[in-house]
Amino acid sequence: DAKTTQPNSMESNEEEPVHLPCNHSTISGTDYIHWYRQLPSQGPEYVIHGLTSNVNNRMASLAIAEDRKSSTLILHRATLRDAAVYYCILRDGDYQLIWGAGTKLIIKP
Amino acid sequence: SQTIHQWPATLVQPVGSPLSLECTVEGTSNPNLYWYRQAAGRGLQLLFYSVGIGQISSEVPQNLSASRPQDRQFILSSKKLLLSDSGFYLCAWRSDRGNTEAFFGQGTRLTVV
Repeated sequence: DAKTTQPNSMESNEEEPVHLPCNHSTISGTDYIHWYRQLPSQGPEYVIHGLTSNVNNRMASLAIAEDRKSSTLILHRATLRDAAVYYCILRDGDYQLIWGAGTKLIIKP
Repeated sequence: SQTIHQWPATLVQPVGSPLSLECTVEGTSNPNLYWYRQAAGRGLQLLFYSVGIGQISSEVPQNLSASRPQDRQFILSSKKLLLSDSGFYLCAWRSDRGNTEAFFGQGTRLTVV
């Protein structure tokens, strides 16, 4: 099964960009890269996903390496509300999502 | 718009008692449904998923079972709870068409005492 590796935690200052890395060296050609975030005692919230090309939406940008073995979630201007655990996930097959341990993002005011 | 309801939000149950957690989805048909468990400080562990009524796939052998009696209803059950069943349980749904995002309920915090 494909797996992801993320740093346990990261800190950033408010109003600054944040780059959250994820390694997925065993990704298969059909695996999509999904990012979710989770606030304490809440269900995860979808952030963004992509396959090969970089993706942008209102929440974030996703930069995918050319060999697809790594990706980076970019929050362009972090706010205190962005403090959460961020999960980088590969979609394995038609029905499943395999979850890693995530990165706890700490935003300093 | 689609919504997902999961209840109860918190539950304290004695060891050996039964369990029933319910999840319902509104505003969509034939969703893929999932039950996850999350230990403190850890990622999500997929327990069960379902692609249709009466169709359940189990990912991890355990003391739990799941059922899908209706298209938009997913139930997680146990006949006798163990201490190790404590955790944060999350229900999620995803469209059966293409690669789309999953939508999660607010979760149930289960404490077995």
